[in-house]
Amino acid sequence: DTGVSQNPRHKITKRGQNVTFRCDPISEHNRLYWYRQTLGQGPEFLTYFQNEAQLEKSRLLSDRFSAERPKGSFSTLEIQRTEQGDSAMYLCASSPGGKTEAFFGQGTRLTVV
Amino acid sequence: AQSVTQLGSHVSVSEGALVLLRCNYSSSVPPYLFWYVQYPNQGLQLLLKYTTGATLVKGINGFEAEFKKSETSFHLTKPSAHMSDAAEYFCAVTALSGGYNKLIFGAGTRLAVHP
Repeated sequence: DTGVSQNPRHKITKRGQNVTFRCDPISEHNRLYWYRQTLGQGPEFLTYFQNEAQLEKSRLLSDRFSAERPKGSFSTLEIQRTEQGDSAMYLCASSPGGKTEAFFGQGTRLTVV
Repeated sequence: AQSVTQLGSHVSVSEGALVLLRCNYSSSVPPYLFWYVQYPNQGLQLLLKYTTGATLVKGINGFEAEFKKSETSFHLTKPSAHMSDAAEYFCAVTALSGGYNKLIFGAGTRLAVHP
């Protein structure tokens, strides 16, 4: 059990560029979540996958955001045409079916300049 | 709808003193409650959780919390603070809607521990 892994840990991008983040959940965890955390705030739910199916998307997830989880393993979160307001920590979490704990990765900190 | 309010964005204690971090929740269904800790530039680590059963729950690093339904509270305590406890603490609630735990977090409380 190596924990939830997120890459990259840090990303600096220019406004208008596209970025993609990757999350590798704990193996055999079929539930995967993405959260966004802005400075001084708690994490906010973005989206949830059960296996490969995306079952819920927050209204925070605008059309510029897309998340995938092909084959129900790793997940990617893409942001198109980044804006300064997208600057935040993006956290991924996973949990096994039937359990209540969510295990978080170390996050990807995005800075849009 | 569910929500979490953490009273006090910053708490400062002396090493060895009692730590008390306050959390009040709102939930229309029986809640599941969590406390997570976050160190700088790190992810979240689960300290403890309440689901059902005993209302006093013990977690890692000497922390505990008590679920009080009548007060809609889930305050986090530790009898004696250690320098290594300095971090940000988040209270969260979920109702297992749809069979999964979408967490609703409070804004966090930053704990400072001074010698």
